[in-house]
Amino acid sequence: GAVVSQHPSWVICKSGTSVKIECRSLDFQATTMFWYRQFPKQSLMLMATSNEGSKATYEQGVEKDKFLINHASLTLSTLTVTSAHPEDSSFYICSASVDSGTQETQYFGPGTRLLVL
Amino acid sequence: KQEVTQIPAALSVPEGENLVLNCSFTDSAIYNLQWFRQDPGKGLTSLLLIQSSQREQTSGRLNASLDKSSGRSTLYIAASQPGDSATYLCAVRSGGSQGNLIFGKGTKLSVKP
Repeated sequence: GAVVSQHPSWVICKSGTSVKIECRSLDFQATTMFWYRQFPKQSLMLMATSNEGSKATYEQGVEKDKFLINHASLTLSTLTVTSAHPEDSSFYICSASVDSGTQETQYFGPGTRLLVL
Repeated sequence: KQEVTQIPAALSVPEGENLVLNCSFTDSAIYNLQWFRQDPGKGLTSLLLIQSSQREQTSGRLNASLDKSSGRSTLYIAASQPGDSATYLCAVRSGGSQGNLIFGKGTKLSVKP
C-alpha cells in the first residue's frame, strides 16, 4: 500500500524559532497534500491543502504567514512553523492523496509531535 | 457546517467482547464516511470506507454501518482483542470526492486481556 512518511517524528524547540516538518509520499505521486493539526483529546483539524507547484489553500483561522507550506514536487511537501510559540505545540499530521478518478484516497503520515518551550 | 460527534469518548472492555462505537454527523449530505484507527503518537490507518449509497462495509471482525438520513454510523468490532486497543476516528467527506474530511474527536478503546 501507499506509504507517507514524516520527518522529524518529534521535535522540541525554543519559543521564537522556526521548525520545518517534511512530508513525503514514498511510492506514489500525490496530487494533493494536506496538513492537519491535532491537540490532545481533540479531533484532527485541517490546516491547509496544497497542490504541487501552486499556493496552499488555508482553512479559516490558520495564519498563512505563520504556517508556511511549500509543495515543490509531487512527493514532497513541507510545513514550516515560523516564530513558534508554546501554543503551537501540537501533533501535526500530513496526508497525501491519489486521485483514483472515482474518489479521492488519502494516505496519512505517522505525524510529528512539536513541543515549543 | 458539518460537525461529527463520537460516543463514547472512551471505552474499556474485557477481551472477547463485541462492541459498538457510535458516530453522528449533522449534515446528511455526505459523499462518504470513513473509520480510521490511530495508535498513540501515530498516524491514521483507514479501516473502512462507506460510500453515501452504501449501508455497510465489512472487513474481518469489523463492520461499519451507515444511516445517512439519520446522520449516524456505527463501527462494530467482534471478539475484541488487546491489539484492538487504539483510538477510533470517524470522518465524513462532503462536497464530492474533492471535499475535505471532517473528523470526530474519536473513541479511545482499551481491551483488557
